[in-house]
Amino acid sequence: SQTIHQWPATLVQPVGSPLSLECTVEGTSNPNLYWYRQAAGRGLQLLFYSVGIGQISSEVPQNLSASRPQDRQFILSSKKLLLSDSGFYLCAFNREVEEKLFFGSGTQLSVL
Amino acid sequence: AQSVAQPEDQVNVAEGNPLTVKCTYSVSGNPYLFWYVQYPNRGLQFLLKYITGDNLVKGSYGFEAEFNKSQTSFHLKKPSALVSDSALYFCAVRDGLTGGGNKLTFGTGTQLKVEL
Repeated sequence: SQTIHQWPATLVQPVGSPLSLECTVEGTSNPNLYWYRQAAGRGLQLLFYSVGIGQISSEVPQNLSASRPQDRQFILSSKKLLLSDSGFYLCAFNREVEEKLFFGSGTQLSVL
Repeated sequence: AQSVAQPEDQVNVAEGNPLTVKCTYSVSGNPYLFWYVQYPNRGLQFLLKYITGDNLVKGSYGFEAEFNKSQTSFHLKKPSALVSDSALYFCAVRDGLTGGGNKLTFGTGTQLKVEL
């Protein structure tokens, strides 16, 4: 069966420190991968998506970057975190022929 | 451009009563419409979707939604609410004409509170 793993669940980082959030998918190949940010427990903003290894599309200009070093691995990074990077980050995937998204359990990032 | 609106920040309903969570959308082509539910500090879970076919779509946990093309709406409904239905509900839309990995646009969410 298809599963998605996202870690860590909670992260507290000082301003100016680097960030690396990892997401891996199991049970499927060549998934579409997504990073969303949810601010204040409400609306979701699509940050990045990827349709294949090394293929990253950025939806909004920001302090973050994404990489896809392997088919089922998606990484969200920052060189220097800002206070405004705080939020709930969600990784998700779907397959080419299926429309619904499968979400990871999320990472609550607090930048202090 | 595609967009979706959830006009209610919160919906309160008594257990056993019917519930409706509203959603309207805007797309250029044919809409692909979804409802997701989120429990506190968790990821979103898929409830149901409309791609084509019957306007009334049935999904998980007894939820259903009705696609209304003339009103560009996709309201979520349940005949009898449970306290355990209390959660944050998201409507999402994708324009059937767009490509690029099935990007979805989410609404701002509606907090459903079911009380005894």
